[in-house]
Amino acid sequence: DADVTQTPRNRITKTGKRIMLECSQTKGHDRMYWYRQDPGLGLQLIYYSFDVKDINKGEISDGYSVSRQAQAKFSLSLESAIPNQTALYFCATSGINSGELFFGEGSRLTVL
Amino acid sequence: AQRVTQPEKLLSVFKGAPVELKCNYSYSGSPELFWYVQYSRQRLQLLLRHISRESIKGFTADLNKGETSFHLKKPFAQEEDSAMYYCALLILTGGGNKLTFGTGTQLKVEL
Repeated sequence: DADVTQTPRNRITKTGKRIMLECSQTKGHDRMYWYRQDPGLGLQLIYYSFDVKDINKGEISDGYSVSRQAQAKFSLSLESAIPNQTALYFCATSGINSGELFFGEGSRLTVL
Repeated sequence: AQRVTQPEKLLSVFKGAPVELKCNYSYSGSPELFWYVQYSRQRLQLLLRHISRESIKGFTADLNKGETSFHLKKPFAQEEDSAMYYCALLILTGGGNKLTFGTGTQLKVEL
C-alpha cells in the first residue's frame, strides 16, 4: 500500500544534540509537510514543500530546518534540541490543491 | 488573520446522545473546511470535507458562512466515536494550498 513512513518512531535525546526526523512516502505526492502536535495546541505547521525545489516556513519554523532530498523524502532537523521541542511530530503528504493530507504515524521526540 | 477555533478541549457524552463538536473559522477568502479524526493508536485521517456534503460514519458538517462555523454533528454517539477531532481550513498561498488546524476536541463517549 502507498504509505507515509516516519523514522524514528520514538527518540529520547539531550539538550544541545542534533536530531533528524525522516519521512518517506510512496504516494507519489509532490507536497509534503511537517507538523508538530502538542496537547492543547493542536497541530502546528513547521515547514512545507510543494516540490523538490520549493521549501516554505510554517507557523513555528524557528529552531528547525528541513531538507527535501527527493520527491519521496522530506527530513526535519533540530540543530540544537531544547526541552520545549519535546512533542509528537507528524509528516504528511497531499496532492496538488488538495485539502486531504495523508499522515505518517508520528515521531515522538523527548528532549531532556 | 486566518484562524480555526475549537472552543472545547474535551466533550463527554453518553452513548446514544447527540454530538456536536464546534468549529469556527476566520478567513478572508472563500473557505474550504475539513474535519480530521485521530482514533487511539491510529493515524490522523480525513473524516469529511464540506465540499462533498457527505455523511461519514453518521457524522455531518454544514458550512455556515454567516456564522463562520463548520460544526460536526452526529445524532446518536457510539462508543467507537471516541477520538480526537480536528477542524481544518485550507488556505491559499502563492505556490499552493496549506491546511491550518484548530486545537482539537477530544470526544469521549461513555456507556
